[in-house]
Amino acid sequence: QKEVEQNSGPLSVPEGAIASLNCTYSDRVSQSFFWYRQYSGKSPELIMSIYSNGDKEDGRFTAQLNKASQYVSLLIRDSQPSDSATYLCAVIRTGFQKLVFGTGTRLLVSP
Amino acid sequence: GAVVSQHPSWVICKSGTSVKIECRSLDFQATTMFWYRQFPKQSLMLMATSNEGSKATYEQGVEKDKFLINHASLTLSTLTVTSAHPEDSSFYICSARGSGGSYEQYFGPGTRLTVT
Repeated sequence: QKEVEQNSGPLSVPEGAIASLNCTYSDRVSQSFFWYRQYSGKSPELIMSIYSNGDKEDGRFTAQLNKASQYVSLLIRDSQPSDSATYLCAVIRTGFQKLVFGTGTRLLVSP
Repeated sequence: GAVVSQHPSWVICKSGTSVKIECRSLDFQATTMFWYRQFPKQSLMLMATSNEGSKATYEQGVEKDKFLINHASLTLSTLTVTSAHPEDSSFYICSARGSGGSYEQYFGPGTRLTVT
């Protein structure tokens, strides 16, 4: 079982819709959770961090964390074609420094 | 805030030569910096973690004598690819994490290395 799992996609949504990206992790002692966006040929960009159960909102983005289910998600409201990218879920385990990445979900937003 | 720069953004070198890549945190002090490599259409691969003033910790399978990492100050880390070969051609990306309790890592724009 991979430490961090994501559906590779592509996830296709029409412009203006809500895109829902999901991620599960295997290590229960994981403490910090992140969503990064990576455009083709570019480096990752931090979108959201979440540390405690529940929802965290920032603009059009909402991260949701459920530690009991070992599940973290990212909702993108009013999706735009410029949101088309690969979204990487990343986790830091307690006592460690390094990010453990999922393989990413490719999102395609069609005009 | 939280800006990380890398220099150069791309470099072409001949096989057998060495290349140095710089990573700087511009508006915060980075106690820890990370170096990644990414091949086309593949995931990020962590190469090493460096803490300011300490020797870098390399991931399994990464040759520390080939990929020299120096983190001499709280705002600068360097990666030197020694005796580069065509198979070292890749996208090298650094990230930096600030001091304090935040675990957030901010990535530089990356350096595309081509070895001919």
